[in-house]
Parts: sequence; C-alpha cells; structure tokens
Amino acid sequence: AQKVTQAQTEISVVEKEDVTLDCVYETRDTTYYLFWYKQPPSGELVFLIRRNSFDEQNEISGRYSWNFQKSTSSFNFTITASQVVDSAVYFCALSEAGSNYQLIWGAGTKLIIKP
Amino acid sequence: DTGVSQDPRHKITKRGQNVTFRCDPISEHNRLYWYRQTLGQGPEFLTYFQNEAQLEKSRLLSDRFSAERPKGSFSTLEIQRTEQGDSAMYLCASTLGRDGYTFGSGTRLTVV
Repeated sequence: AQKVTQAQTEISVVEKEDVTLDCVYETRDTTYYLFWYKQPPSGELVFLIRRNSFDEQNEISGRYSWNFQKSTSSFNFTITASQVVDSAVYFCALSEAGSNYQLIWGAGTKLIIKP
Repeated sequence: DTGVSQDPRHKITKRGQNVTFRCDPISEHNRLYWYRQTLGQGPEFLTYFQNEAQLEKSRLLSDRFSAERPKGSFSTLEIQRTEQGDSAMYLCASTLGRDGYTFGSGTRLTVV
C-alpha cells in the first residue's frame, strides 16, 4: 500500500542555519509523483514542488533544494540559510497514476525558525 | 482566474445541524478533490470528481456526507446531522491531472 513517512514531527533551528526535512515513501506504482507543500499558520496549503518518478534530477529554487533518490525511496527537502518566514508545517505527498492522482500525505514536519 | 475559492471560511454549527460548503475550482481544471484535515495531521482524502462524475469516495466518508459537482464546475460538500468529530478543516483542490494541485483556503468547521 502507498504510504508517506515524515519521521520528524518538529524541528527547531536558529535563523540562517540550513535544515533538511526528510520524506520516505512507499508505492508499487512505477508512475508516481511526489510533492512538497508548505502550510503557514494562516492554514493555506502552498505548492512548492512536484517531481515525477522518472526524473531523479535534484532541483534548486533559491534557498530551497530537493533530493530525490529512488534507491532509498526518499524525497528530502533542504532550506539553506533559513529565515523566520520559513516557519510553517511542511508536508510531503505522493500521488499515483493508478489511484486517480489522489494525494497521500505524510503527517507533516513543523519547522520553527528562531530569530 | 484567482485560484480555488472556498466558502465559507469558517462555520460554527450546533451538533445535529446540517452544513454545506462550496468550492469553486480553477475553471479549466477537470479534476476536483475534497480533503479533510484535523489539527496536527496531514489532509485525508474524502472524494474526487472528474468533471461532474464522482469517481471515488473514501471509506472515511460516512453516509452523512455527500458531495456534488453539477455541470462539472463548482462543488458542494454537505454534512448532515453534524457530530463533534466532524470538526476539521475541509480543503478543496483542483488540477488537470498530474500537475501540482491548487488548494483553496479551506473551510474550518467547528461543531459545538
């Protein structure tokens, strides 16, 4: 069965530190998509990235970077030089072609950036 | 197009009352999803529409829940005889398929 595990419930760092949020997934599908969403205190889910199962290239967007490794079924998210505005809950999610692309979510990691 | 709109943003209701939420997706998106999120948890899938057809419904959804998407445009989610356990954030998302989903701001339901 498909599953997404975010083992880190809460992470607290001081501003400007780098931080990595872990995500491990399980799927039997060969075609699947991985996502990261940010949920600030306002509650809205903000899309950060989508990756398909055939593209293992790492991606960098400003201070954000993602490391997709099929060999370990992981899709980790790193924030470089963290800022207070990065404080939020971050969710990793999986969707499979065989499941109508519904999103299977991890439990989320609460990230606290202290000034 | 300003994204996915949900109405109302907040709803407080007494136990046993019926409530209805509305979602207006991005107009060209044919797929629409409802999710429920309780405090400290990730969202849980409730139901899915492709155009006007409801193609999947979670086993989490009791008979008190019903959703519609007439004409394949906006969608409504109705909860009958609300219970305190129904208190949650109800999220709507739309997509064309494999692309990133666009979520609405959600409707926060509090059953007292």
